[in-house]
Amino acid sequence: AIQMTQSPSSLSASVGDRVTMTCRASQGIRNDLGWYQQKPGEAPKLLIYAVSNLQSGVPSRFSGSGSGTDFTLTISSLQPEDFATYYCLQDFKYPLTFGGGTKVEIK
Amino acid sequence: QLQLQESGPGLVKPSETLSLSCTVSGGSVSSTSSYWGWIRQPPGKGLEWIGTIYYGGTTYYAPSLKSRVTMSVDTSKNQFSLKVTSVTAADTAVYYCMRRHRVGSGIYYIDYWGQGTLVTVSS
Repeated sequence: AIQMTQSPSSLSASVGDRVTMTCRASQGIRNDLGWYQQKPGEAPKLLIYAVSNLQSGVPSRFSGSGSGTDFTLTISSLQPEDFATYYCLQDFKYPLTFGGGTKVEIK
Repeated sequence: QLQLQESGPGLVKPSETLSLSCTVSGGSVSSTSSYWGWIRQPPGKGLEWIGTIYYGGTTYYAPSLKSRVTMSVDTSKNQFSLKVTSVTAADTAVYYCMRRHRVGSGIYYIDYWGQGTLVTVSS
């Protein structure tokens, strides 16, 4: 199975900060990478699919980049509602695998 | 707007079978661009993909669960379901049903999730 390694596992940031987190795949996954946001007690929500495509209704402060094995999610200006845990998911081949998550906390 | 809703017992005894259903509204389980499936999340932990099923019956399961998992689709009820046999405390988790959507020539993403249902394995 393809292993997805997210880093950091947690970070502290302030409102307005630029935040970046990464996801590394154990083998190439083309552009089959999505990012999900999960708040406590809620189901995950799709933010970005196919590395860099913003899901409808998601604010433009979220962006994704990368290729092959290394991928990045950036929040250009952190907002209060962005404090959550973020997961990457490789959709290249079965079994689908998630990263371990990056928890974004208030500084 | 597609909606997914899980249903099933919230408490299952060890060694017994966990059974959940997911009812789809606002769309059809027979959609040729949709794959249906389950993801779980143990309390305080990350997300684990359990498996995916296509309306024609093709299934894909996580290797760690493959020997204990069965998924099926009921097009007459617009539902799909999950069974996990011989459960232990390690199967305690929030179980989410989801839709994996295919667009264009091979782009997939999970765009709809149920609200999740906590299943506790305990005697």
